[in-house]
Parts: sequence; structure tokens; C-alpha cells
Amino acid sequence: GAGVSQSPSNKVTEKGKDVELRCDPISGHTALYWYRQSLGQGLEFLIYFQGNSAPDKSGLPSDRFSAERTGGSVSTLTIQRTQQEDSAVYLCASSPPARLTEAFFGQGTRLTVV
Amino acid sequence: GEDVEQSLFLSVREGDSSVINCTYTDSSSTYLYWYKQEPGAGLQLLTYIFSNMDMKQDQRLTVLLNKKDKHLSLRIADTQTGDSAIYFCAEGEGSARQLTFGSGTQLTVLP
Repeated sequence: GAGVSQSPSNKVTEKGKDVELRCDPISGHTALYWYRQSLGQGLEFLIYFQGNSAPDKSGLPSDRFSAERTGGSVSTLTIQRTQQEDSAVYLCASSPPARLTEAFFGQGTRLTVV
Repeated sequence: GEDVEQSLFLSVREGDSSVINCTYTDSSSTYLYWYKQEPGAGLQLLTYIFSNMDMKQDQRLTVLLNKKDKHLSLRIADTQTGDSAIYFCAEGEGSARQLTFGSGTQLTVLP
């Protein structure tokens, strides 16, 4: 597709369950980012992938959060044993190799933990 | 730590100019960005300015940067109803990995 694609667009899960959020970056983009947007807050950086380098996981809030990127393309963000404070919109973005200053965002996955 | 602040709401009449303001604290910021988020959509990069610039103009958008005061503004000329959205200010050092976002300003354009 032309833009960053995220799925699902909405996810409601019970507290304690695991969830997986998917991101398909723009083809050819080497950098991929995950952010979290909580209600009324700005964006919170979670994790960054760049090519074959080790990911920057410095923004992950706890060890319940993990992410992987397979084949340098699709990424999955996994949240284990979800808590109510995990409820947020999870945004994925990607950047082309020569323009790391420009992030193209997907529409986000709205996660609600009940 | 780094902080980016914006006012939460702005209302303007269609055809008027809108000015959205932002302040930041990180003096090492290299790039300053404006993103637009429409309901149900992802963030759209509108424009960005390098920290050694004072102004950047792109059609109806004018970005002004006062580096001394760490103040950034986005002016939208001839504001239209389609400009209604949340506008996020962000600062960074050259990679979206290091972006710090404000909480966003909800712009409402009244007919």
C-alpha cells in the first residue's frame, strides 16, 4: 500500500490477556518506530528499528512489552498480561533511509483493556 | 527532561488565520516539526524546520522559530473547515527515534 498500515484498528481485550499489534511500514523504509498515545497526552516513544541494527528498546515501559521486526519489514508489538493502564492508541511510523527526520505514521491501533 | 508544551484548544472562523504556538525546553533540538492528526487517521507530517532557520513558508503554512525563547509557531492562512484537526508540535535531533511530542492543539474551524 501507499502508507503505513496497522492492524487491527481497534482491539478490546480483557485484563491479563496478551495482545499482538501489527505494523506494515512503507515499502523500502528502513526505520520503523512504535509510539504510544494515551488520552490527552503527547506521543511516547516505545521502540525503534533501523535496518539490521539492534533495536532501541529504551522506551518500552515494562518487560511485558516486546517487539520484533521480521525480514526488515513487518513489525509486531506484543503486550503480555495486559493492564488497564496499557489502554492507549499505539502508533507505528516508518522513515526512508535518506530521510530519517521524516516519519510517516499509520492510523494507529486503539487498544482498550477492560 | 525534555518537554514540549502547547495550548489544548484553538477556535477560529473560516477564512481567518490560525496561529498555533508551542514551547520546548531542549536547547539541543535540531529539528522542529508540525504534525496534523485528523479523526481516525494517523499523524501526517505537515512541515519541519531546521533549528538554524527563523522561518519556513509552504503555501498556506508559515512556521516561525524563535530559538532564543524556544518558541515555535504554525500559522495557517485562510483557514478552512478541512484544517480542523489536532496539531502536534515535536522536537528532535535528526531522527524520528528521538522525537518528543507536545500534547496537541485541537483546532476547530467555525463556519
